[in-house]
Amino acid sequence: DVKVTQSSRYLVKRTGEKVFLECVQDMDHENMFWYRQDPGLGLRLIYFSYDVKMKEKGDIPEGYSVSREKKERFSLILESASTNQTSMYLCASNGQGRGEAFFGQGTRLTVV
Amino acid sequence: GENVEQHPSTLSVQEGDSAVIKCTYSDSASNYFPWYKQELGKGPQLIIDIRSNVGEKKDQRIAVTLNKTAKHFSLHITETQPEDSAVYFCAASTEYGNKLVFGAGTILRVKS
Repeated sequence: DVKVTQSSRYLVKRTGEKVFLECVQDMDHENMFWYRQDPGLGLRLIYFSYDVKMKEKGDIPEGYSVSREKKERFSLILESASTNQTSMYLCASNGQGRGEAFFGQGTRLTVV
Repeated sequence: GENVEQHPSTLSVQEGDSAVIKCTYSDSASNYFPWYKQELGKGPQLIIDIRSNVGEKKDQRIAVTLNKTAKHFSLHITETQPEDSAVYFCAASTEYGNKLVFGAGTILRVKS
């Protein structure tokens, strides 16, 4: 069974902390994505990567960075967490030009 | 860049009735249009998709139609069941899924 696994279901962090969200996929997919999900706003793309060490900004990259050192792993980094980054974060992956994206179960991050 | 609008934001139907969710997109170069279903506590999961060279696609009780001229596409669910209750997202991509832009989502409630 194909899988995208996010390291945490729930996280509570303090304002100003550096936060790491980890995502691993076992499908040998080239593309990996980080989305943020907020009520009424749908899924908004933060960053995506189409190859190891490659990354591109999505629609809302401010306050975030990413790392992809290995093909199966894509990390989202909040350099200095702020309360407006409280949200659900979803990781996804798909093969190059292959359409269907597979999502992880999500990480609900609360910044206090 | 691409912009996807989705309507309605909430939809309540009686069990056995049909449900229709509509989306419009802005980029005429978009060529891939998936629909995702998100159940409570889970990541979105693909339920059906359509490519721009096809006008309609059906899979059991679910169908998607695409009007490229008007730049809109719709999800049709017939004979709705309580287990169809979920949040549904449409999306569009200019690169067969390499970068998906999502609509804001529709909360579907099927009343039994």
